[in-house]
Amino acid sequence: KAGVTQTPRYLIKTRGQQVTLSCSPISGHRSVSWYQQTPGQGLQFLFEYFSETQRNKGNFPGRFSGRQFSNSRSEMNVSTLELGDSALYLCASSLDRGSSYEQYFGPGTRLTVT
Amino acid sequence: AQSVTQLDSQVPVFEEAPVELRCNYSSSVSVYLFWYVQYPNQGLQLLLKYLSGSTLVKGINGFEAEFNKSQTSFHLRKPSVHISDTAEYFCAVSSANRDDKIIFGKGTRLHILP
Repeated sequence: KAGVTQTPRYLIKTRGQQVTLSCSPISGHRSVSWYQQTPGQGLQFLFEYFSETQRNKGNFPGRFSGRQFSNSRSEMNVSTLELGDSALYLCASSLDRGSSYEQYFGPGTRLTVT
Repeated sequence: AQSVTQLDSQVPVFEEAPVELRCNYSSSVSVYLFWYVQYPNQGLQLLLKYLSGSTLVKGINGFEAEFNKSQTSFHLRKPSVHISDTAEYFCAVSSANRDDKIIFGKGTRLHILP
């Protein structure tokens, strides 16, 4: 079974631009969560999608948004990029909602904002 | 709200020696606890998890952890480490609630010395 895939793997953007990251979950998984990983803040939860609906949201500004499609694939969007948005963005999928279900992580998209 | 503290940001240990990575959590409700590992340039992988039952949890790659409710700890141990265990280890917590998100610690970098 294929794992979680994230595209692109690396991205360089300029301040003020916007970016869209994509995540394809493991086949059959319905829940997708997004995390931001930085050296200073560690892993921070962005949001979770289940059945095309956002079910949980972390403490990030409205510039960070996401969506989930009917095939469970998910995208996250960051508008008006800031230097501080430089990070590794990780996507994780699980079979169902709830933290008792194991989350499988993708390799991440490394975003650099210049 | 839950929180988790990993007491050591880096732990050096000689190959074939035992290791303990410390994790303390804070919560006013029942919790689920997790340890994840992140190898360089990869996403996170679940090592083990505690949901309920036996407080000694065995995971992959020879790791185990013990849930201690009175000390609110969930320390990770391995009796003999190998060079391949070089990675960053994350402790995580969530409430035993279907809707709750997982909160990650800042991570502990394990350095294996030859």
